Amino acid sequence: GAGVSQSPRYKVAKRGQDVALRCDPISGHVSLFWYQQALGQGPEFLTYFQNEAQLDKSGLPSDRFFAERPEGSVSTLKIQRTQQEDSAVYLCASSKEGRGFGNTIYFGEGSWLTVV
Amino acid sequence: RKEVEQDPGPFNVPEGATVAFNCTYSNSASQSFFWYRQDCRKEPKLLMSVYSSGNEDGRFTAQLNRASQYISLLIRDSKLSDSATYLCVAYTGGGNKLTFGTGTQLKVEL
Repeated sequence: GAGVSQSPRYKVAKRGQDVALRCDPISGHVSLFWYQQALGQGPEFLTYFQNEAQLDKSGLPSDRFFAERPEGSVSTLKIQRTQQEDSAVYLCASSKEGRGFGNTIYFGEGSWLTVV
Repeated sequence: RKEVEQDPGPFNVPEGATVAFNCTYSNSASQSFFWYRQDCRKEPKLLMSVYSSGNEDGRFTAQLNRASQYISLLIRDSKLSDSATYLCVAYTGGGNKLTFGTGTQLKVEL
């Protein structure tokens, strides 16, 4: 498709389970971002890739969170030993620019994670 | 204190009303500002950019006051289809990331 594609759209995980969320950015887009959106809140930055290089991971909340983009296209966000506070929508976004300028970034529909 | 602050609402207005949303930001290094719209259970989508000179797009007008670190969005002649959450967003080039407010919920009613 033409947009940012994320899978799974919905995931229910038992506390302590590991999860992996996938993002397919728009073809040719250089920059890829992950954001976390808790219920009733705005999205919060997690991490940023330029091609395969992870240039900023300052928003990852703990060392249980890990992201990769090994070939500079598809990205995976992995959460180990999930906790209830990890329940949120995980939004992936991409931009053809080397920067995530607000008017050139496109979001996927998100992966809805519920930890029970 | 959050870097970008908005009144969460909800704002319940009748169709045809004019409604204004305000937003303040605390990081003076923020370079650019935007309003995004987010429908229920959907992704955020760019509504418009915000310039110091003001920016108008049809029924929507956005304004930036850098001295006061204040951003506004005005919606005239509200439509039912305007019902959504409006997110105020600041872009900081050095960090290359967008900082979102919590969003202001708008409900336009018959």
